[in-house]
Amino acid sequence: GENVEQHPSTLSVQEGDSAVIKCTYSDSASNYFPWYKQELGKGPQLIIDIRSNVGEKKDQRIAVTLNKTAKHFSLHITETQPEDSAVYFCAASVGGYQKVTFGTGTKLQVIP
Amino acid sequence: DAGVIQSPRHEVTEMGQEVTLRCKPISGHDYLFWYRQTMMRGLELLIYFNNNVPIDDSGMPEDRFSAKMPNASFSTLKIQPSEPRDSAVYFCASSLGTPPGYTFGSGTRLTVV
Repeated sequence: GENVEQHPSTLSVQEGDSAVIKCTYSDSASNYFPWYKQELGKGPQLIIDIRSNVGEKKDQRIAVTLNKTAKHFSLHITETQPEDSAVYFCAASVGGYQKVTFGTGTKLQVIP
Repeated sequence: DAGVIQSPRHEVTEMGQEVTLRCKPISGHDYLFWYRQTMMRGLELLIYFNNNVPIDDSGMPEDRFSAKMPNASFSTLKIQPSEPRDSAVYFCASSLGTPPGYTFGSGTRLTVV
């Protein structure tokens, strides 16, 4: 089955700096890559996603990039704010959008 | 819509007892997923349903775990008998099966002592 690896497991940045989280996937058939943000005591919440026919997608301060050849995808957060502190999960889906495999998560801390 | 509703939020039970977790998906969503989250194993998919029918239960760890979806607005995950290693946060999620993907509930934190 699909295997998604995520790095780093923890990340601390100063407020206003950028943060980058990287993921790799194993199954070249994966075609949908969502990112989730999980705040303490809550369920993961979708923040951005990208499909395999797109190389990059932006939404205000967050962006995702996808390299299908290398089977890499990344989340970029610019101008980080304290409210960006959370655990971020990448995920990949094979053969449609119903069942996704999650990465192990990155705990992001934004230091004011 | 109130989102995906899970109950209870917290459950503490003794080893050997039966535990039932409940989920109400978003109205109109035809996919429902049960996940388990632990520090060691992260988010694990246990089972998912499409139109109330179980599609993939390969993630269910043992026969002690069972899940049902008797109708489009309700699902249960049952553990019988419970063991301390079942302690985790259990999430239910629903979706339309197309992007923008899942909506998760707030989870049930299960502690088996």
